[in-house]
Amino acid sequence: AQSVTQLDSQVPVFEEAPVELRCNYSSSVSVYLFWYVQYPNQGLQLLLKYLSGSTLVKGINGFEAEFNKSQTSFHLRKPSVHISDTAEYFCAVTRGGSNYKLTFGKGTLLTVNP
Amino acid sequence: NAGVTQTPKFQVLKTGQSMTLQCAQDMNHNSMYWYRQDPGMGLRLIYYSASEGTTDKGEVPNGYNVSRLNKREFSLRLESAAPSQTSVYFCASSDGLAGGGTQYFGPGTRLTVL
Repeated sequence: AQSVTQLDSQVPVFEEAPVELRCNYSSSVSVYLFWYVQYPNQGLQLLLKYLSGSTLVKGINGFEAEFNKSQTSFHLRKPSVHISDTAEYFCAVTRGGSNYKLTFGKGTLLTVNP
Repeated sequence: NAGVTQTPKFQVLKTGQSMTLQCAQDMNHNSMYWYRQDPGMGLRLIYYSASEGTTDKGEVPNGYNVSRLNKREFSLRLESAAPSQTSVYFCASSDGLAGGGTQYFGPGTRLTVL
């Protein structure tokens, strides 16, 4: 079975600072990896995903993530955050192939302060 | 397109009451999912339907039943609600096969069981 660990439950940063949200996964087989964002009182929406190919994945709103197979990590980064990036971010993993089950991490609350 | 819609948005039940949460998608997706979100727990999969006519248990199926009414609709039923089922419930649908598809989420139903 796969699992996801988001190492920080809360990350406070100042506006225009860089940010990294950490995600590690465990799986004995090949995986697909996702980052979703949840703004207050809304459902989740996809930021980016890694299925195969280039290990650096670019998503919406200036976010990117790097798949590191040797370290089983998929950290999310943004070089300069805005107040509007305040939200909860979820890393998720599913097994490549026919498995439809997506396993989510517990989430990281990113708070961007002026 | 409305995407994924859920009804109701809010609901308060007494212990032992029953209710059905409705979900519909207009994106012609094959796969649909029900999750619950609790503080500090991330999202946990209750049931999913990989395609019309099939349903499977997720991580936390106890106390719930589902019906895939047709390709568009996937309902979640609580037969005898318990306070432990107080949560935010999200429905999602997916645009891809073999786990790599993006999941699109509804706005959620906030359920309180007294």
